[in-house]
Amino acid sequence: GDSVTQMEGPVTLSEEAFLTINCTYTATGYPSLFWYVQYPGEGLQLLLKATKADDKGSNKGFEATYRKETTSFHLEKGSVQVSDSAVYFCALSENYGGATNKLIFGTGTLLAVQP
Amino acid sequence: IAGITQAPTSQILAAGRRMTLRCTQDMRHNAMYWYRQDLGLGLRLIHYSNTAGTTGKGEVPDGYSVSRANTDDFPLTLASAVPSQTSVYFCASRPREGADEQFFGPGTRLTVL
Repeated sequence: GDSVTQMEGPVTLSEEAFLTINCTYTATGYPSLFWYVQYPGEGLQLLLKATKADDKGSNKGFEATYRKETTSFHLEKGSVQVSDSAVYFCALSENYGGATNKLIFGTGTLLAVQP
Repeated sequence: IAGITQAPTSQILAAGRRMTLRCTQDMRHNAMYWYRQDLGLGLRLIHYSNTAGTTGKGEVPDGYSVSRANTDDFPLTLASAVPSQTSVYFCASRPREGADEQFFGPGTRLTVL
């Protein structure tokens, strides 16, 4: 079945450092790809998405490009802030049970940004 | 209400007890989902509902049941809780047919002793 693999954390960075969180996927079709963020004590929020190959999703300074040739969707940010500290989940959508799209998640990567 | 609400926020439950986690959305989304989040495993789908009156099993449905009597509400019931059901539970909804993204509630932290 489809799956998502993302780098294990925690990732600890200093403020203004460059961030990369790796994500690769296995899928039989052409799923949409997502990054979700979970701040402490909260639910998941959609950070960005890409629906087809070479699409770039971006939001709040974060970017990720859908790379079909390498089956990757790495998350990047040029200059992280303390407020970016959270758990980041990579996910893909999979058709499941007919009309339903199921999200398949990676295990999450904890990012800790130090001032 | 704006978005998805879940209740309770947290609960400690004795093994063998029955528990219903509540989920309500005010966005008129047709599709709704229940996930559990466990450390090192990410989120796993328990049950889903494409529209009011229909439900389906996800990846880890055993020990859980759901109902969808109307568009807004999607309760998750543990008939007889066991310690392995200790987890954080998230309800989610999907905006429309053709949209892939899902929107999540704040979660319920459940501890079964």
